[in-house]
Amino acid sequence: GQNIDQPTEMTATEGAIVQINCTYQTSGFNGLFWYQQHAGEAPTFLSYNVLDGLEEKGRFSSFLSRSKGYSYLLLKELQMKDSASYLCAVRDQALGYSTLTFGKGTMLLVSP
Amino acid sequence: EADIYQTPRYLVIGTGKKITLECSQTMGHDKMYWYQQDPGMELHLIHYSYGVNSTEKGDLSSESTVSRIRTEHFPLTLESARPSHTSQYLCASSETHVEPYGYTFGSGTRLTVV
Repeated sequence: GQNIDQPTEMTATEGAIVQINCTYQTSGFNGLFWYQQHAGEAPTFLSYNVLDGLEEKGRFSSFLSRSKGYSYLLLKELQMKDSASYLCAVRDQALGYSTLTFGKGTMLLVSP
Repeated sequence: EADIYQTPRYLVIGTGKKITLECSQTMGHDKMYWYQQDPGMELHLIHYSYGVNSTEKGDLSSESTVSRIRTEHFPLTLESARPSHTSQYLCASSETHVEPYGYTFGSGTRLTVV
């Protein structure tokens, strides 16, 4: 099976930088995704890593270390609208199909 | 603008009723999925499809059934709703030939069974 761990909640202030960590255990790793989900809304795609290293996209960056089973999402210049749940998801092709397994999400609260 | 649509957005229904949650996408994606999400909990895969006439059960045991008669349509049916079915149901689709094969989610159906 798979196990994905991320912190339940984090708080930060507007303009700051926050790092949300995710650790995973999987037998057929084939990519890690980060999604943002505002309350009552659908998750939206933020980033994707399949090779080790850092992927940067504007204020958001995501890092992956496959050997450590570890990823983080870095949010810079935080804005109030960044208050949301951030979901780490892993794609596992060990069983011959390509579906995503999600962590429980990290609720980020950005305060003024 | 959403390219994947779920209806209804909210549904309150009595125990024992049969319900169908609708999901349609206009992106031509072959792969479609149904996830269940309780508040503060992770998304659990309950059904998926790799194309027309292809349906599989996911990791989470579910009393629901699905069908895939057309590429764009992937409805989920509960034959007899129970209070334990109260949850949010999210439909998603994904690319087959273009990396990173990420999901596009619908807005979800929040189901309450009373």
